[in-house]
Amino acid sequence: QSALTQPRSVSGSPGQSVTISCTGTSSDVGGYNYVSWYQQHPGKAPKLMIYDVSKRPSGVPDRFSGSKSGNTASLTISGLQAEDEADYYCCSYAGSYTFDVVFGGGTKLTVL
Amino acid sequence: EVQLVESGGVVVQPGGSLRLSCAASGFTFDDYTMHWVRQAPGKGLEWVSLISWDGGSTYYADSVKGRFTISRDNSKNSLYLQMNSLRTEDTALYYCAKGGPVDTAMGRWGQGTLVTVSS
Repeated sequence: QSALTQPRSVSGSPGQSVTISCTGTSSDVGGYNYVSWYQQHPGKAPKLMIYDVSKRPSGVPDRFSGSKSGNTASLTISGLQAEDEADYYCCSYAGSYTFDVVFGGGTKLTVL
Repeated sequence: EVQLVESGGVVVQPGGSLRLSCAASGFTFDDYTMHWVRQAPGKGLEWVSLISWDGGSTYYADSVKGRFTISRDNSKNSLYLQMNSLRTEDTALYYCAKGGPVDTAMGRWGQGTLVTVSS
């Protein structure tokens, strides 16, 4: 499976909203409602922010939201805060006859 | 508190073998699917393998199929990754991750253990 396509970088000012896109195919993003998003600060382990396209684990602020349209999933962060500056990775189930998962290449979010 | 602690990462020559371990605590280990995910230096995340709660089902990325074997010992709350025929492109930080809230997501991650394949 090829990696999902994400923009290399996005930026926004504190208080603004940003959206990170994640484009796949009908064999992954478009075929299943199993898209998840991970936040990774430098030198730290990834943290699950969104699963099943739009569900938030407990403890994740509701400023983070997810959606999907066709083969493209999106992560929107509203009310940007300095601590949101990190790398973000999307991930989709991609299995047809077996379990398979594919990640995006990652997006660096800069809070200006 | 959920804790996942990986170990076993070292420098190994191409063609060599290595076994990674992940010690889990703070949750009922045998209730959960477990994953291995890796990250090459300066690169993105790559899913490696998954094992079901009872070890009865295992799955692998094409890049490691036939060379890596995932296993678990629920009596020891431990996850393992046996890595054989190592290649330079296997150099990465290897994370173990707890499946959840659904098997297709990785709800909690360890801090990783570094595997370097080099002559």
